[in-house]
Amino acid sequence: DGGITQSPKYLFRKEGQNVTLSCEQNLNHDAMYWYRQDPGQGLRLIYYSQIVNDFQKGDIAEGYSVSREKKESFPLTVTSAQKNPTAFYLCASSTWRGEHVSGGENTEAFFGQGTRLTVV
Amino acid sequence: AQSVAQPEDQVNVAEGNPLTVKCTYSVSGNPYLFWYVQYPNRGLQFLLKYITGDNLVKGSYGFEAEFNKSQTSFHLKKPSALVSDSALYFCAVRARDSGNTPLVFGKGTRLSVIA
Repeated sequence: DGGITQSPKYLFRKEGQNVTLSCEQNLNHDAMYWYRQDPGQGLRLIYYSQIVNDFQKGDIAEGYSVSREKKESFPLTVTSAQKNPTAFYLCASSTWRGEHVSGGENTEAFFGQGTRLTVV
Repeated sequence: AQSVAQPEDQVNVAEGNPLTVKCTYSVSGNPYLFWYVQYPNRGLQFLLKYITGDNLVKGSYGFEAEFNKSQTSFHLKKPSALVSDSALYFCAVRARDSGNTPLVFGKGTRLSVIA
């Protein structure tokens, strides 16, 4: 069945180590997003990609990197430069049918189940 | 720039009573508006959206929301709360002419329904 899958669910990182969070979708969505969630701060955008082989920085991109080599995949690397990486990371995807198509509407974003990253 | 405000960090309501979770937004032009719900250690689940047309939008699990353009609000409502509605609720906005740009989220409101 269709959906968006994040793995692993829990991840532990040692100080100074890079780790990569996986995000895969089989919804045929063009756009994919990474958000970080901290208690009381809502969701903050890290990176997003509207099309394969292209991505843009979000509000808190420092210390993170991404790639978009395939439409289905948008992995996030948390580098050692990210000083406070402990958080809940959420991946999402969406598509856009266009303003003039069949009543035209942006679809809602679909979210994965999240990865909880903890620095040990 | 787009923004969303959820003025209440926490809303408490007795089971069976009506509930309201408030949301106001700021966007250039016309908005697309969304409500999501999050249960502990899970991703966000879509509840409902306003695209165009009727200002009262009905969504999943008996929730509804009313778009008020003059007040730039999109409050989430339910006539009779259930204990199982207890969760974290997020309002989000995207400008209508912005294509596939990311949703901008509020900070969330924790709803607690007391039996």
